[in-house]
Amino acid sequence: DGGITQSPKYLFRKEGQNVTLSCEQNLNHDAMYWYRQDPGQGLRLIYYSQIVNDFQKGDIAEGYSVSREKKESFPLTVTSAQKNPTAFYLCASCQQGGGHYNEQFFGPGTRLTVL
Amino acid sequence: GNSVTQMEGPVTLSEEAFLTINCTYTATGYPSLFWYVQYPGEGLQLLLKATKADDKGSNKGFEATYRKETTSFHLEKGSVQVSDSAVYFCALRIQGGSEKLVFGKGTKLTVNP
Repeated sequence: DGGITQSPKYLFRKEGQNVTLSCEQNLNHDAMYWYRQDPGQGLRLIYYSQIVNDFQKGDIAEGYSVSREKKESFPLTVTSAQKNPTAFYLCASCQQGGGHYNEQFFGPGTRLTVL
Repeated sequence: GNSVTQMEGPVTLSEEAFLTINCTYTATGYPSLFWYVQYPGEGLQLLLKATKADDKGSNKGFEATYRKETTSFHLEKGSVQVSDSAVYFCALRIQGGSEKLVFGKGTKLTVNP
């Protein structure tokens, strides 16, 4: 089955620690995205990558870092510099180009709680 | 800039009631418009889409029409079911470029039997 997997589903972190969230896709999509979801805030874009070894900051990149060494993987590191990291994190992927119908597919999400 | 405004929730309806969730947008170009649905504890799923003015997207009994003159993309369903309880997000994407989506804040729908 093709899709996006995120792990773990729940993650607890002590204040001051870095933590890495996993995102893997087997859809052969070029582009991948990380969003943060907070209650009443909708989804906000953290980082995105349109091609391997390249990525761009989204609207709220401060305190986060990413890498894109393989097409199928786009891990997100929440660093200790992120002031309020407790949130639900969603990864998505999308095929680039080809016209208007490039749907973004979402993973099931990781809920991060800072203790 | 580009932005999406949705009606604030939560919305609570009885089964078989008519549903409308309002969505309006501001965009610098010619956006494609989407409705996504999020069931409890899950990621988002695409519900329907429209890519140009007057297009109507439809899926699972839900409909939305791209209205350029009112910059709107309201979601409607004639008869909701308990299983429709979820959070609904309106989103836009400007054609070309990075395929980034801009989301509204979401509207939580609860349908009671």
